[in-house]
Amino acid sequence: EADIYQTPRYLVIGTGKKITLECSQTMGHDKMYWYQQDPGMELHLIHYSYGVNSTEKGDLSSESTVSRIRTEHFPLTLESARPSHTSQYLCASSDPTLSVRGVETQYFGPGTRLLVL
Amino acid sequence: KQEVTQIPAALSVPEGENLVLNCSFTDSAIYNLQWFRQDPGKGLTSLLLIQSSQREQTSGRLNASLDKSSGRSTLYIAASQPGDSATYLCAAPRTYGGATNKLIFGTGTLLAVQP
Repeated sequence: EADIYQTPRYLVIGTGKKITLECSQTMGHDKMYWYQQDPGMELHLIHYSYGVNSTEKGDLSSESTVSRIRTEHFPLTLESARPSHTSQYLCASSDPTLSVRGVETQYFGPGTRLLVL
Repeated sequence: KQEVTQIPAALSVPEGENLVLNCSFTDSAIYNLQWFRQDPGKGLTSLLLIQSSQREQTSGRLNASLDKSSGRSTLYIAASQPGDSATYLCAAPRTYGGATNKLIFGTGTLLAVQP
């Protein structure tokens, strides 16, 4: 089983608060990803990182920001939470050195369910 | 726009039945397709990955097929068990924008296996 962790698992918070969703992996993977999933909807990539000090926006525009100071850590921050940010946030990682013919398996964390009141 | 769709959205079957989940994709140039399982409140678990050069992949009671010409993939689950109850997602890598290994997911099929 993949060792990728997310905290908190559930978060209920008021509008305007600053929040940070944590994601850590102990596999030494260079690539990490943040996905957003609304109930009954597709997963959408919102951020990804190819390695330390490398972060890029994903397919879905997001007001969140990310940082990658250490290989194992990829936190996501919302400076001022709003009800529209209510969703599930999933973190994933993959190791390009373990790819088979260019294919990398992504390992997912358990997700953080965020509710902004 | 590259799209991945899944039907049905939900499926309920009695224990022991064989079943098929369907996935359609718009870009036949994909080089692989993955099937994932998502349990409530948990992240995704990769089940099977099919390369574009393959037509089938098997893991235990699961068998996934890929037909790029028709833009379809199926996940066959044999002798279903209540523990198979979960949401099943298929995902294809994005083929535009020079992206590598970024996945486009379908909306999933919610499977309930009744004991």
